[in-house]
Amino acid sequence: GQQVMQIPQYQHVQEGEDFTTYCNSSTTLSNIQWYKQRPGGHPVFLIQLVKSGEVKKQKRLTFQFGEAKKNSSLHITATQTTDVGTYFCAPSGSARQLTFGSGTQLTVLP
Amino acid sequence: DAGVIQSPRHEVTEMGQEVTLRCKPISGHNSLFWYRQTMMRGLELLIYFNNNVPIDDSGMPEDRFSAKMPNASFSTLKIQPSEPRDSAVYFCASSPTSGGTNEKLFFGSGTQLSVL
Repeated sequence: GQQVMQIPQYQHVQEGEDFTTYCNSSTTLSNIQWYKQRPGGHPVFLIQLVKSGEVKKQKRLTFQFGEAKKNSSLHITATQTTDVGTYFCAPSGSARQLTFGSGTQLTVLP
Repeated sequence: DAGVIQSPRHEVTEMGQEVTLRCKPISGHNSLFWYRQTMMRGLELLIYFNNNVPIDDSGMPEDRFSAKMPNASFSTLKIQPSEPRDSAVYFCASSPTSGGTNEKLFFGSGTQLSVL
């Protein structure tokens, strides 16, 4: 699988603040998926990005895929306590397998 | 749809014992994945099957680990003998892989394994 670096590893924000996590690769990615795992839960699919420069939005979440398809980001506007969890990027290649980044653990302080 | 079903939810065993984890994928999904999650190593892909055939088992830690998928609705991950360092959450996931791109993964609730 393709390896990625995900930063930051941890992020604490006050409720209402914005949050961004980044996923970086040294090689060009075919596509990338994002998952969220709540504490004690299992990863849940959020979105898949395929095209260079692609931007997708889901309510307060904005996902971007870099022009060179080597990086991706997830931005949350005005965080809420329900956003707490670990966010993983997962680059997927032609081998039909997914490897996961190390994740960013988000804590939202009320 | 019941989703991916894993059993047991929790397993506590002693070092040296055999452990079998079970997974029922979502009906109609033709790819199945086993992952292991620990604080130190994060989410690691152990093995994945496509149409019941193991495609890549390079993530399986060692010979103590084995996985089978005898039919489209059932898979097992066996550890024999188990060791304390095998303690982790083991997730099974399935996906309706089609065409040349990856479909999203649907994860089960996981099995929390503790080897004493």
